[in-house]
Amino acid sequence: AQSVSQHNHHVILSEAASLELGCNYSYGGTVNLFWYVQYPGQHLQLLLKYFSGDPLVKGIKGFEAEFIKSKFSFNLRKPSVQWSDTAEYFCAGGVYTTSGTYKYIFGTGTRLKVLA
Amino acid sequence: EAGVTQFPSHSVIEKGQTVTLRCDPISGHDNLYWYRRVMGKEIKFLLHFVKESKQDESGMPNNRFLAERTGGTYSTLKVQPAELEDSGVYFCASSQSALAGNNEQFFGPGTRLTVL
Repeated sequence: AQSVSQHNHHVILSEAASLELGCNYSYGGTVNLFWYVQYPGQHLQLLLKYFSGDPLVKGIKGFEAEFIKSKFSFNLRKPSVQWSDTAEYFCAGGVYTTSGTYKYIFGTGTRLKVLA
Repeated sequence: EAGVTQFPSHSVIEKGQTVTLRCDPISGHDNLYWYRRVMGKEIKFLLHFVKESKQDESGMPNNRFLAERTGGTYSTLKVQPAELEDSGVYFCASSQSALAGNNEQFFGPGTRLTVL
């Protein structure tokens, strides 16, 4: 079955610590991968996306992710987190179905709390 | 450019009542998606419209859920009659295209539905 998994459900870090959130996907075919963030009280916002090409993707707010095909992974990283990074982070895979539609499959989300 | 909007932001109803959620996509976006997040679980796909046509409704939980997109603009999602397990956050998203490389989905703020 097609799935996306996030292994860290809750992460607590101090400011300036480095961040890495894991994401693994389990499906074949065209691989489109996304990281979205939802700040408290706000809507989902795109951090970065991978469609093809350079496997190291730079996003907004200093985030980056690396697509490693052999590991079916697309981990999110940030070298130094800030208190304002406190949010919930979602990894998603875009998949084409046999009926021709395109949809996202989400991981369960990771709640990040950054302590000032 | 206005983003995806959803109404209402919150809805509290009693079991057995009817609720209608509305989504206004970004102007010009033919693709409209509904997703749902039940507390503690992942965001799950419900259905996909291309203009006014349902492209894929494989994620709709049961026949108590009815989605429409008359005229290919805004969409409504009606739950009738609502059950306790329908509680969750309902997200709407839109995209310009469903083709590879141009299929980023933009999300609305969600409607939090509570069924008592």
